[in-house]
Amino acid sequence: GAVVSQHPSRVICKSGTSVKIECRSLDFQATTMFWYRQFPKQSLMLMATSNEGSKATYEQGVEKDKFLINHASLTLSTLTVTSAHPEDSSFYICSARDLGQPRAKNIQYFGAGTRLSVL
Amino acid sequence: AQSVTQLDSQVPVFEEAPVELRCNYSSSVSVYLFWYVQYPNQGLQLLLKYLSGSTLVKGINGFEAEFNKSQTSFHLRKPSVHISDTAEYFCAVSWAGTASKLTFGTGTRLQVTL
Repeated sequence: GAVVSQHPSRVICKSGTSVKIECRSLDFQATTMFWYRQFPKQSLMLMATSNEGSKATYEQGVEKDKFLINHASLTLSTLTVTSAHPEDSSFYICSARDLGQPRAKNIQYFGAGTRLSVL
Repeated sequence: AQSVTQLDSQVPVFEEAPVELRCNYSSSVSVYLFWYVQYPNQGLQLLLKYLSGSTLVKGINGFEAEFNKSQTSFHLRKPSVHISDTAEYFCAVSWAGTASKLTFGTGTRLQVTL
C-alpha cells in the first residue's frame, strides 16, 4: 500500500517552454502532497505544500508564478514549471500523506522523482 | 531555526561489517523521526520511523535506529551490511505543529565494498 506515482520520470525541454509533472497517490487519498527539489549530491528542499481544493503554500524563496501547483483531486497534484530555463534543471520529487491511516498521518510516501533538463 | 545534521557525508565500509550513520536534530520538543534511502535516480524509500513508543525501532533490510531524546539523536545502524546497501541515506525530522513538514539532513553516502 501507500504507493505514489510520479510522471514523467525524465523530461528534456527547450528553454522558454513549460513542463508539467504529475504526482498521483495510487491506493490512498491524499489531501496534502509535497513538492521537493533536489540538486545533484544535495538534500531535498521543500518547495511547496499542495492542498486539495485550495491554494498551495510555498516556502520562502520559491516563486509561485514560476512553479504552479494544482491539486484538483484527492489523488492528483501537478507541478508546472513555467517558462523553464537551464537553472530550473533539477530532480523534482513529490510526496503524499495517507490521512486515512491515523497512525501513519505523519509519514510521507515519495514518488520516484522527475529529472528535468532544460536546454 | 530547526535543523537536521548528518555529520558524515560519506561512510565507506566493507561488506559484512557493521555500520552506524549519525543523525542529530536541533530541538527536543515533540518530534517524529525518519530514515529514508535513495538509490541513484530514484525517489526516497522509507527505511524506518519513530512516531512514539519504544525508542528502538526496526525497519526494513535489517536496519534499526534508536531515538535518544537527551542527545537529540536518531542514529541508524546495521550489524552487517551488503553491497546492495550502497545508497544515499537521509535522516528527516518533522516537528509537532509544523503540519508534518519534513526537514532533511544533507545525506550520507554509504559505500559498501568487498
